[in-house]
Amino acid sequence: EAGVTQSPTHLIKTRGQQVTLRCSPISGHTSVYWYQQALGLGLQFLLWYDEGEERNRGNFPPRFSGRQFPNYSSELNVNALELEDSALYLCASSFDKITQYFGPGTRLTVL
Amino acid sequence: GQNIDQPTEMTATEGAIVQINCTYQTSGFNGLFWYQQHAGEAPTFLSYNVLDGLEEKGRFSSFLSRSKGYSYLLLKELQMKDSASYLCAVGDSGAGSYQLTFGKGTKLSVIP
Repeated sequence: EAGVTQSPTHLIKTRGQQVTLRCSPISGHTSVYWYQQALGLGLQFLLWYDEGEERNRGNFPPRFSGRQFPNYSSELNVNALELEDSALYLCASSFDKITQYFGPGTRLTVL
Repeated sequence: GQNIDQPTEMTATEGAIVQINCTYQTSGFNGLFWYQQHAGEAPTFLSYNVLDGLEEKGRFSSFLSRSKGYSYLLLKELQMKDSASYLCAVGDSGAGSYQLTFGKGTKLSVIP
């Protein structure tokens, strides 16, 4: 069974630019979660999507947004990039809304 | 809100046993999770406790006491490949939502 996949693997952007990260959940999983893991910090919850709807969001500004498509894949968009947005962005999926399985992540560097 | 505490770093010897503790405070407890994360990689699921007691899975065991807001991950017969960060996470079902709140992780170094 294929795991959670994310693209791209790495990304370099400059301040003020916009970025879109993509995630495909495990087949049969309807929930997708997004996390930010900055250097030296724990995983910070960003967004939760289930059945195409945003169910919850963490303590992040509105320039962090996303959506979930009918096939349950998801995008995370970050506008007006700032230096402190440099981090590993992790996507996780779940079929029971309890146990989450993580993808390999996208490492974003903002210069 | 949630507050999760775990030691920042631990060192143990190959073949030994190590216990990683986690204490938490949460408003709507919906289970406690342990994840393993090797440097530069994604977290991988290790265990899930929702009831008090010990769950054993091979060399790894996880314990939960809900009344004390306390959990530990026990790793036996340590191997060099067990060097990684171990993340304690609490499932929170407050306000009808479901999300995990993670601790900052315990970096375990296994030495020969």
